[in-house]
Amino acid sequence: AAGVIQSPRHLIKEKRETATLKCYPIPRHDTVYWYQQGPGQDPQFLISFYEKMQSDKGSIPDRFSAQQFSDYHSELNMSSLELGDSALYFCASSFRGQSGNTEAFFGQGTRLTVV
Amino acid sequence: EDKVVQSPLSLVVHEGDTVTLNCSYEVTNFRSLLWYKQEKKAPTFLFMLTSSGIEKKSGRLSSILDKKELFSILNITATQTGDSAIYLCAVPPSGSARQLTFGSGTQLTVLP
Repeated sequence: AAGVIQSPRHLIKEKRETATLKCYPIPRHDTVYWYQQGPGQDPQFLISFYEKMQSDKGSIPDRFSAQQFSDYHSELNMSSLELGDSALYFCASSFRGQSGNTEAFFGQGTRLTVV
Repeated sequence: EDKVVQSPLSLVVHEGDTVTLNCSYEVTNFRSLLWYKQEKKAPTFLFMLTSSGIEKKSGRLSSILDKKELFSILNITATQTGDSAIYLCAVPPSGSARQLTFGSGTQLTVLP
């Protein structure tokens, strides 16, 4: 079965550079969540989209932005990268529909290292 | 605000032991509770629980929900070193929330 696809799997960037992470949800899923997980930390919610509209915003820095496109894939854009942005970024997708969310499935994550 | 609390935070056992991980929750409009296993990558879905008292089982893992007492447990029998991971419990969006709310996770280490 198709799963959530994230790319790239690994990314190394220098400070002050820009990075773009991509997430392709499971087909027919209408909701995408982005999370950031630092070493030894809990997943921290960044932002979510439902039907291509931003539905909630968590602890996402102003240097980051995200959007969901017409094909439901989502991109997380990160500018002016800092060393502290080094983390595992993963997205999850679920289907909300009318009866509420089903379980969310996660992608493999993108490991970003800022040097 | 939805809240999920897991215990213990960390657990170290030997292979063959049985472990029980706990997850308690407070949510505005409960729909379901999810368990995930996280190794060195993104969490892998284990179970979704919606009804009290009905055990979900997958191999050596099982989980049950108590909606009256607002908690769930995840049991792992005959643990193996490959079970070493962080086990996360989460509740999907409810009420005005639009995000999964995670517990802090239980770090399970299974020694040979």
